[in-house]
Amino acid sequence: DQQVKQNSPSLSVQEGRISILNCDYTNSMFDYFLWYKKYPAEGPTFLISISSIKDKNEDGRFTVFLNKSAKHLSLHIVPSQPGDSAVYFCAASGTGGGADGLTFGKGTHLIIQP
Amino acid sequence: NAGVTQTPKFQVLKTGQSMTLQCAQDMNHEYMSWYRQDPGMGLRLIHYSVGAGITDQGEVPNGYNVSRSTTEDFPLRLLSAAPSQTSVYFCASSYSTQGASGYTFGSGTRLTVV
Repeated sequence: DQQVKQNSPSLSVQEGRISILNCDYTNSMFDYFLWYKKYPAEGPTFLISISSIKDKNEDGRFTVFLNKSAKHLSLHIVPSQPGDSAVYFCAASGTGGGADGLTFGKGTHLIIQP
Repeated sequence: NAGVTQTPKFQVLKTGQSMTLQCAQDMNHEYMSWYRQDPGMGLRLIHYSVGAGITDQGEVPNGYNVSRSTTEDFPLRLLSAAPSQTSVYFCASSYSTQGASGYTFGSGTRLTVV
């Protein structure tokens, strides 16, 4: 059973607007939540993370929100730029600081329209 | 600084053949892990290691073997390749206290088993 779910396989957003990518999880023992960005033929690159004890983390154009009661997190990108077009993966790590690896969602393909 | 280096980038195997996917990191990271990415499936954890001499199974370990004799290297062995192992394989590494910053990924090995 999937512990991390990204229910939107793709999302199309106009350049300059806000992109909102969503992620749900089922395991309440997850300690950190992370977002990775992936271009074709490359490995995933770390974007931003949030601890389970926080509800918001911001880094430049990227903000991640965590709603623990709903087991839901979202990534906001403002403003969206053409270079943001990529697949975005939501991931989670356990209380071991990621020692036992990451659990990934299936990804959302973000397309930024000019 | 090379980061995480995976070799080869591409490989075609015949069913039943064995091979080793190489992974090396030069960041003195304790944690290392292997993932496979299949279309529509996201990344799934195969094996992971929390330090030299210590390895454990992830979500999809069957048909794969790993060892960690040094901090730098974490090879993944396919014992008897099957078409179901056709996938893109990613190796990743992280510091032990880097739950918030996540893993650094290699650029991947695309494996086709015919």
